Amino acid sequence: QQQVKQSPQSLIVQKGGIPIINCAYENTAFDYFPWYQQFPGKGPALLIAIRPDVSEKKEGRFTISFNKSAKQFSLHIMDSQPGDSATYFCAAYYGGSQGNLIFGKGTKLSVKP
Amino acid sequence: DAGVIQSPRHEVTEMGQEVTLRCKPISGHNSLFWYRQTMMRGLELLIYFNNNVPIDDSGMPEDRFSAKMPNASFSTLKIQPSEPRDSAVYFCASRQGVDYGYTFGSGTRLTVV
Repeated sequence: QQQVKQSPQSLIVQKGGIPIINCAYENTAFDYFPWYQQFPGKGPALLIAIRPDVSEKKEGRFTISFNKSAKQFSLHIMDSQPGDSATYFCAAYYGGSQGNLIFGKGTKLSVKP
Repeated sequence: DAGVIQSPRHEVTEMGQEVTLRCKPISGHNSLFWYRQTMMRGLELLIYFNNNVPIDDSGMPEDRFSAKMPNASFSTLKIQPSEPRDSAVYFCASRQGVDYGYTFGSGTRLTVV
C-alpha cells in the first residue's frame, strides 16, 4: 500500500515531443505528490508538485495531471528539449509533520535533437 | 546557503572495512533523510530524523548499518563491516518543518571491492 508504481522505465522522444510519465498509488492517505528531476551525478531536485484537491498544475513546460478517483497522476513535458534528458521520479507524501516521501522507481528520459 | 553538503563524494573501500558517510543539512531544516540509490531498487529510504531524533529506521538493511544525528547540523551513516552489495549512491536530504520540499545533496558514490 505504500508503493508508488511508475512507468515507463525509460522513454525516448524527439525534440519538441511530449513525453508522458505515469504513476499510480494505492494509499488514499497520501496528500502531496511531487515530481523530482535528477541529472547524472546530482541529487534529485524538486520540479513540480500537486495536492489531491487539484486536477492539473502547470509550471512552464511541465504539467502534472491528477486523477484522484483512479489514484493516478502523470507528468507531461511540453516542447521537450535535449536539456530535459534526465531521470524523473514521482513521489507521494504521507504522515503530516513526521511524514515521509515514497518514491517511484524512476523514468530515464532521453530527448533526441 | 550552500545546500545539503555530503562527504566524501566518492568512496572506494575493501570488503570488511568500516565506512562513514557524512551530511550537513541546510541550516534551519529540522528533518533529515538518508536514501540509497541503485539501478535495481531505485531510491530507498534508509532512515529519517526529526529534530535530531530518529523517527523511522525500518529501511536500514541490517545491523551493519547505523546512523546518528548528534546535532542539527550534522549526521553520519556508518556501515561496518562493508560488503560489495552495499555499493550504491547514498543521498542525504533535508526538509524544513511541514514544507514538503526535500533538498538533496549531491550524494556519495560508495564502491566496496
